[in-house]
Amino acid sequence: DQQVKQNSPSLSVQEGRISILNCDYTNSMFDYFLWYKKYPAEGPTFLISISSIKDKNEDGRFTVFLNKSAKHLSLHIVPSQPGDSAVYFCAARVSGGYNKLIFGAGTRLAVHP
Amino acid sequence: DAGVIQSPRHEVTEMGQEVTLRCKPISGHNSLFWYRQTMMRGLELLIYFNNNVPIDDSGMPEDRFSAKMPNASFSTLKIQPSEPRDSAVYFCASSPRTGRLQETQYFGPGTRLLVL
Repeated sequence: DQQVKQNSPSLSVQEGRISILNCDYTNSMFDYFLWYKKYPAEGPTFLISISSIKDKNEDGRFTVFLNKSAKHLSLHIVPSQPGDSAVYFCAARVSGGYNKLIFGAGTRLAVHP
Repeated sequence: DAGVIQSPRHEVTEMGQEVTLRCKPISGHNSLFWYRQTMMRGLELLIYFNNNVPIDDSGMPEDRFSAKMPNASFSTLKIQPSEPRDSAVYFCASSPRTGRLQETQYFGPGTRLLVL
């Protein structure tokens, strides 16, 4: 049972445009959501996060939106750059645990000039 | 800080052999996580430790998999015997427990395992 789903395995965007990556979850007990970025042959690195009590968090070109009623979050990258090309993982933290995260399957973003 | 260290970076072995993956977490971190990444299932949590004690191993696929954390600076993931379907990238991650809401996990570079 996949509690965190990223239904788009890949996304292609032109440089300068907006990239929107989506994530859906099923567990109402998640209290924190994170996005990780992964380059080939490297481990995932933390990108941005949002608490379940908020609906938006912004950090430079990256903004994460949370819609609790729809159990949906999205990552917006504006403007997209070729260096943003990577796999993006959505993750949700189980409340009350030892920082246990449940990850989605990932979305491969390609930003082309 | 050197970050999370994993060894080996690549491992090629034959079916039936024992495989041992190693991880050194970031100094001072008290939670350690083992993940497996495959194309089909993405990042799966296998097991995690807190203060060297296994907390949840429900993600370990079979009895062929075992993990230990003998001290705060070292953990192993062992597969015995290995099978071709175990081929994947295995990640180790560590996390501090500072009490802040914004705790995150720090990943190592991974071990790419190929079982022939």
